[in-house]
Amino acid sequence: GAGVSQSPRYKVAKRGQDVALRCDPISGHVSLFWYQQALGQGPEFLTYFQNEAQLDKSGLPSDRFFAERPEGSVSTLKIQRTQQEDSAVYLCASSSRDRGSYNEQFFGPGTRLTVL
Amino acid sequence: GQNIDQPTEMTATEGAIVQINCTYQTSGFNGLFWYQQHAGEAPTFLSYNVLDGLEEKGRFSSFLSRSKGYSYLLLKELQMKDSASYLCAVMDSNYQLIWGAGTKLIIKP
Repeated sequence: GAGVSQSPRYKVAKRGQDVALRCDPISGHVSLFWYQQALGQGPEFLTYFQNEAQLDKSGLPSDRFFAERPEGSVSTLKIQRTQQEDSAVYLCASSSRDRGSYNEQFFGPGTRLTVL
Repeated sequence: GQNIDQPTEMTATEGAIVQINCTYQTSGFNGLFWYQQHAGEAPTFLSYNVLDGLEEKGRFSSFLSRSKGYSYLLLKELQMKDSASYLCAVMDSNYQLIWGAGTKLIIKP
C-alpha cells in the first residue's frame, strides 16, 4: 500500500516567488498535518485538517502561508512571496483518526524548499 | 512556554545499549511519542506512552514518568542501521504535537 507522498521533493525558489507544495495522504486518513522542519531541529506544527475542514492553523507563521484540502484528501501548502527564512523541509503527515484521540502520524518524505 | 529537552548528540558502540532521555514542560499532556528519523528521510513512529511505566517493543523500550515530566528511549543490541536522529514529541492539551530538536545517535563499530 502507498504511504504519504509529497511533491516536489526539492524546490528552489527566488525570493518573492510563490510556491505550492503538494501532499497525498494515505487513502482514507481523516487527519492531515503540515509541519516545518529547520535543519537540526524537530518539526514545528503549521496546520491541521480533519477531512476538508482546517481546524487549526495556529502554527502558520504569517499570512503568506495558506493551506487547503478541498476534497478531504490531497492537500496543498502555498507560500506567497517567499523569504529566505522560509527555507526548510515541509513535512506532511496523515493519521486514521481525528486529532483528539491517540493516533500514529505517518509522515511523507518532505519537500526541501530553498529560497535564494 | 512549552519545552522539550533532549541531548543533541550521543555516541554508542554496536551491540551495546543506549538510553536517550527527554524532559518536557507542556500545557497539558495527552501522551508522549518517540520517532526515528534517518537523515533526509521522514520520521517513523517508534512508541507511544500515556501511562507511567515501561513499554517494550523488541529491541526498543520507552519509559514515562508523568510526575517528573520525563521519558527515555532505550535501544538494546545496537546495530549500525540505528544511526539516526530520535525525536521526542508530546501531545499537549490542544492535541498538538510539540517536538524536541532530536538526538543524533552515532553508532561506532
